[in-house]
Amino acid sequence: DGGITQSPKYLFRKEGQNVTLSCEQNLNHDAMYWYRQDPGQGLRLIYYSQIVNDFQKGDIAEGYSVSREKKESFPLTVTSAQKNPTAFYLCASSPGFRGEKLFFGSGTQLSVL
Amino acid sequence: KNEVEQSPQNLTAQEGEFITINCSYSVGISALHWLQQHPGGGIVSLFMLSSGKKKHGRLIATINIQEKHSSLHITASHPRDSAVYICAVAGTYKYIFGTGTRLKVLA
Repeated sequence: DGGITQSPKYLFRKEGQNVTLSCEQNLNHDAMYWYRQDPGQGLRLIYYSQIVNDFQKGDIAEGYSVSREKKESFPLTVTSAQKNPTAFYLCASSPGFRGEKLFFGSGTQLSVL
Repeated sequence: KNEVEQSPQNLTAQEGEFITINCSYSVGISALHWLQQHPGGGIVSLFMLSSGKKKHGRLIATINIQEKHSSLHITASHPRDSAVYICAVAGTYKYIFGTGTRLKVLA
């Protein structure tokens, strides 16, 4: 079955540490997104990618980095520069970039030790 | 003021009740999406609307483009409908999300 796989489900970060969240899709979608979800707030866009080897900053990109070396994969690194990383992170994809249906992964809960 | 506003924020209903969740937006859109988020955190897409009305099972979604308003209705609600329902609008290269409506249906 096609879908989006995020891993790990839970992740703990130590002070000063970079951590990477994995996102893989086998839907052959061009567009991929990373969102952050905090309690009481709507999903906020961190980064998005329309095609391989291209990505753009979203609304809250500071302290995060991404890569898109393969169509299927869009990993997110939470760097030590992100001072408030505790949140639920969701990866999503869509066939194109014109408001099409979004498909979501199951999310990663990141906490700080 | 948020670009996407949902109401109510929280809703408790008895099993069998008819439920309505509202979404108003203030930006130009190409489509509006209704999403469902279960307690485990995963999100599934329920509807994508650009005009009119769509129905899937006990769920009905409507949109009024002129009034910039959409509603999600659940008929004959059931405890398994308990989830957070999120409205999202698709603009230019971006989706904007409401903060969600937390629905709890009691048996």
